[in-house]
Amino acid sequence: AQSVSQHNHHVILSEAASLELGCNYSYGGTVNLFWYVQYPGQHLQLLLKYFSGDPLVKGIKGFEAEFIKSKFSFNLRKPSVQWSDTAEYFCAVNVPNSGYALNFGKGTSLLVTP
Amino acid sequence: NAGVTQTPKFRVLKTGQSMTLLCAQDMNHEYMYWYRQDPGMGLRLIHYSVGEGTTAKGEVPDGYNVSRLKKQNFLLGLESAAPSQTSVYFCASSRDSSGITDTQYFGPGTRLTVL
Repeated sequence: AQSVSQHNHHVILSEAASLELGCNYSYGGTVNLFWYVQYPGQHLQLLLKYFSGDPLVKGIKGFEAEFIKSKFSFNLRKPSVQWSDTAEYFCAVNVPNSGYALNFGKGTSLLVTP
Repeated sequence: NAGVTQTPKFRVLKTGQSMTLLCAQDMNHEYMYWYRQDPGMGLRLIHYSVGEGTTAKGEVPDGYNVSRLKKQNFLLGLESAAPSQTSVYFCASSRDSSGITDTQYFGPGTRLTVL
């Protein structure tokens, strides 16, 4: 069965530190990959997505992710985090046989301290 | 253009009561979804719809029913609420199937507590 694994459940960083959140998926076919963010008390918003082409994808607010097909990975990165990046981050994969619903990882809670 | 809206925002039920959550989208999207979010579990798919009049089961459908009588609305019903259905419910929509790589847009969520 298709699954998405996020390695870090809770991450605490100081402002200006670099961020990398791991995401691995298990699916043998072509995948569409997403990172969503959920700020406290808000709904999910799309950070970035990968469908095809350049495996280095840039998203909003300075985030980027790299798709490495050989490693089944889609890690999220940001060179310098801000306090406003405190949120929960979800990696997700399309599920073609469920109306292209999203199969989510369990999420990573990021706390950025001043 | 409101995007995806959900009604109500909060609700408290007693075990055995029933209720309906309403999701509405004004983007003319074909596909709509209901997810539930539980701590440490991420979001899990309850039911989905690929068009008006069609629905299908997702990963965790038990205890829920859905209807898509109009393209813009997707209703989620709880027939007999149980404490295990305490959760935050998110609705999402996405475009026509020709855009299979399209983004899903999420509503603000409904926080449901079952006592």
